[in-house]
Amino acid sequence: DVKVTQSSRYLVKRTGEKVFLECVQDMDHENMFWYRQDPGLGLRLIYFSYDVKMKEKGDIPEGYSVSREKKERFSLILESASTNQTSMYLCASSPSGTGYYEQYFGPGTRLTVT
Amino acid sequence: AQTVTQSQPEMSVQEAETVTLSCTYDTSENNYYLFWYKQPPSRQMILVIRQEAYKQQNATENRFSVNFQKAAKSFSLKISDSQLGDTAMYFCAFTPYNNNDMRFGAGTRLTVKP
Repeated sequence: DVKVTQSSRYLVKRTGEKVFLECVQDMDHENMFWYRQDPGLGLRLIYFSYDVKMKEKGDIPEGYSVSREKKERFSLILESASTNQTSMYLCASSPSGTGYYEQYFGPGTRLTVT
Repeated sequence: AQTVTQSQPEMSVQEAETVTLSCTYDTSENNYYLFWYKQPPSRQMILVIRQEAYKQQNATENRFSVNFQKAAKSFSLKISDSQLGDTAMYFCAFTPYNNNDMRFGAGTRLTVKP
C-alpha cells in the first residue's frame, strides 16, 4: 500500500515563527503536492514538485516555500507564520504522467497560529 | 482554467437509503479525468471512483456509481445502500488528460444516520 506520512497531526505556533511541515512517501512517486484545506473552499494547491529540487507554484504560494532534497520527502515552510495561515495542510503524491493517476494523501496537519 | 463546483455543502441520508452528490465542472478540454474522493472524519482522503472522459460508460465501484454527462459537464456520485462508514466529506476533482494538475470542489459533508 502507498503510504504518505506527515510529521505532525496537530501543531500550534506563534505569529512570526518559522514553521516546517514534513511529508514522506514510500512509493517512489515523482510528483508531490502541498494543499491547504479550508471549509467551503475545498483543497487549494500551494506548491507541487515533479522531481527532486524542482518546484512549481500553485494557486496560493504567497507566504510559503518548499524544499525537495530527496525524492521521498517534500517540506512546506512558513517563513513567518501568520494567523491567516491557520488551516489544515495536506500532502499528496502521485506517479508522473497523465492525469489518470490518483493522488495519495497524508493524514493532514492541523496548524493553529496564535 | 478548470473549475469544479459542488453545490451541496451538507447532506444527510438514512442508513440503507440511496443518496446522490452533485458536481459540475468547467473546462475547454475534450479529454480529462474526473474523481470522487472521500475524507472520513480524522482520516486520510482516499479515492472512491474515477471516470475517464473519453469513456461513455459510467464507472461503478460496488455501491458507488457515477452519472457522467459530458455535454452538461456534470459528474454526480450515487451511493447505494448507505452505511454508517460512508459518513465523510466527499470531494469531486478534475485533472486534464496530460498532466496532474488536480482541481477540487469545495466538498460535500455527508452524514449517514442510523
